[in-house]
Amino acid sequence: DAKTTQPPSMDCAEGRAANLPCNHSTISGNEYVYWYRQIHSQGPQYIIHGLKNNETNEMASLIITEDRKSSTLILPHATLRDTAVYYCIVTYSGGYQKVTFGIGTKLQVIP
Amino acid sequence: EAGVTQSPTHLIKTRGQQATLRCSPISGHTSVYWYQQALGLGLQFLLWYDEGEERNRGNFPPRFSGRQFPNYSSELNVNALELEDSALYLCASSLVTGLYNEQFFGPGTRLTVL
Repeated sequence: DAKTTQPPSMDCAEGRAANLPCNHSTISGNEYVYWYRQIHSQGPQYIIHGLKNNETNEMASLIITEDRKSSTLILPHATLRDTAVYYCIVTYSGGYQKVTFGIGTKLQVIP
Repeated sequence: EAGVTQSPTHLIKTRGQQATLRCSPISGHTSVYWYQQALGLGLQFLLWYDEGEERNRGNFPPRFSGRQFPNYSSELNVNALELEDSALYLCASSLVTGLYNEQFFGPGTRLTVL
């Protein structure tokens, strides 16, 4: 019952921008979009989150479409260390919702 | 600042036994989450504890249970182990009581059921 759809895998050349898409067509008005990544067999790491405005931090940028039905995580200059599984989740901040991660996108950065 | 810690790192049990996994959240965090990650699968939500209470649980049988202690550390118990319980069990903590907030994950406990 994941609320998001992501491609199972993507490749990106080292030094290029990696654009990871996520569809969340059933998102409700008070739900946020969160992105995490998991490097092989480690615990996931928080990257970024947003509600409706585009967001940027030291790791990545998050672009959310105006209708909020999809978003894109952008890693501006991918490095080999960015090879990981990237998870997009949607959840609202209150009410102890179940948080479903799904299977994510396996990003392979190629030298 | 110490991160989320989990113990043990690896645990090997036989079918029918019980397993106990432990998690210490980041200091000041009141919420603890448990996830199961079987090989090749995504993170499956197991349990959410906040302020000592179970707030939500995923679609797992009752033999998966846990508790949160007054110091906010947590324990996950799996009774009557089955082969398909073999997985990486991840614990995460977050700061704000009663709200979803970014989660900080521990390194996980690898449970193998023989």
